Amino acid sequence: EVQLVESGGGLVQPGGSLRLSCVASGFTFSTYWMNWVRQAPGKGLEWVANIKEDGSEKYYVDSVKGRFTISRDNAKNSLFLQMNGLRAEDTAVYYCARGSTYFDYWGQGILVTVSS
Amino acid sequence: QLVLTQSPSASASLGASVKLTCTLSSGRSSDAIAWHQQQPEKGPRYLMKLNSDGSHRKGDGIPDRFSGSSSGAERYLTISSLQSEDEADYYCQTWGTGIRVFGGGTKLTVL
Repeated sequence: EVQLVESGGGLVQPGGSLRLSCVASGFTFSTYWMNWVRQAPGKGLEWVANIKEDGSEKYYVDSVKGRFTISRDNAKNSLFLQMNGLRAEDTAVYYCARGSTYFDYWGQGILVTVSS
Repeated sequence: QLVLTQSPSASASLGASVKLTCTLSSGRSSDAIAWHQQQPEKGPRYLMKLNSDGSHRKGDGIPDRFSGSSSGAERYLTISSLQSEDEADYYCQTWGTGIRVFGGGTKLTVL
C-alpha cells in the first residue's frame, strides 16, 4: 500500500523558516517524480514544486521561487521542502504527492501557519 | 497560458447522476487532465487521468460509478448513482513544461 506521511508543520513568524518532510512507503520512491501541493484555508489546490527522480530537475511556482527549496533523499525514501522567508500568504495545508504530470497518490497533509 | 475553468458549484439528488465540466484554455484542446476528489476535512484523492479522446485510467479502488469523457476543450467527470459520500470538492489538474495547474474546483452537493 502506497503511503505518504508529511511532518514538520507548525506555527512560524513572518520571515521565519520551516522544513517539511514526507516519508514514502509502499513503492520504489527513487523511480518517481515527487511534488508539494498546498491549500490555503478555504481555498483551492495550488501546486508548489516538484523534483525529478534523481533530483536533477526541480521546478517551482513563481510565488515561492527563491524562498522555497525542494529536495529528496532516495536512500531514506524522503521528500523535503525547505521554506524560508515565510509570509502570511504561505499559510496552508501542505501535501506531498506522487507523480510526474498528474498526482496519483497524496499524503494527508500538514498545516503551516505563518503569523505573529 | 495554461488555465483550467470549473464551475464553483453543482448539485444533484441522491441516486441521480451528475456531470462536472473542466474547460482547458485556448489552444490546449488536445491536452490530458486528471480529476481529483477532496472530501470534507480530508486530503485529495486521485480519481482518473482523462485523455482528449475520452480514454481514461482510474486510480486504485475508484468505483465504476465514476467515468470520464471529452469533447473539444471540455473534460467531463460523470458520477452516477450518487451517494452521500460523493459530496466533495472536485478538482481538475493539468501540466506543462515545469508547471502543474489546478482548476478552481467544483463543490458538489448531494441533495
